[in-house]
Amino acid sequence: SQTIHQWPATLVQPVGSPLSLECTVEGTSNPNLYWYRQAAGRGLQLLFYSVGIGQISSEVPQNLSASRPQDRQFILSSKKLLLSDSGFYLCAWDTTGYTFGSGTRLTVV
Amino acid sequence: GQNIDQPTEMTATEGAIVQINCTYQTSGFNGLFWYQQHAGEAPTFLSYNVLDGLEEKGRFSSFLSRSKGYSYLLLKELQMKDSASYLCAVLSDKLIFGTGTRLQVFP
Repeated sequence: SQTIHQWPATLVQPVGSPLSLECTVEGTSNPNLYWYRQAAGRGLQLLFYSVGIGQISSEVPQNLSASRPQDRQFILSSKKLLLSDSGFYLCAWDTTGYTFGSGTRLTVV
Repeated sequence: GQNIDQPTEMTATEGAIVQINCTYQTSGFNGLFWYQQHAGEAPTFLSYNVLDGLEEKGRFSSFLSRSKGYSYLLLKELQMKDSASYLCAVLSDKLIFGTGTRLQVFP
């Protein structure tokens, strides 16, 4: 079956610390993968998408980066977190209807 | 540019019918999605429209008019568990979301 895994579920990090969020998919090959962020009370903002290994497109300039080291792995990173990086981060893939992972709630303090 | 508009909040009574509207202006169109998102959870897929008309799925229906850049989600026989945010999203070359409509269902 096709599934998408995302972890951790919650994360509290101090300002200036690094970040690494991981997303993996199972049951498919060469999926298109996406990272979205949802700030409190706001809509989903597309951050990055990837159509294959090593191929990353950035939608908005920001303090974050993404990498796709393997076909089924998509990683969101930051070298130094800002308070404004707080939010709900969602990984998704475009199977029928764009399926989302369970999300990571990041609080930068 | 890309613009997707939907009301911020709506309220309704258990057992009633509610219609959530969405208007969009995007550089391309390959379909429109509706998602349900409960507080603190990831969005879950409700419906997909790519052709004009009404798609019915149980208590939920979704309508699309491409010429008008308009869609609505119709929820019938409302239940308390339908209290959630409903997200309209347009697929151009990527999936772009509106800000969502928070629906509160009261007994």
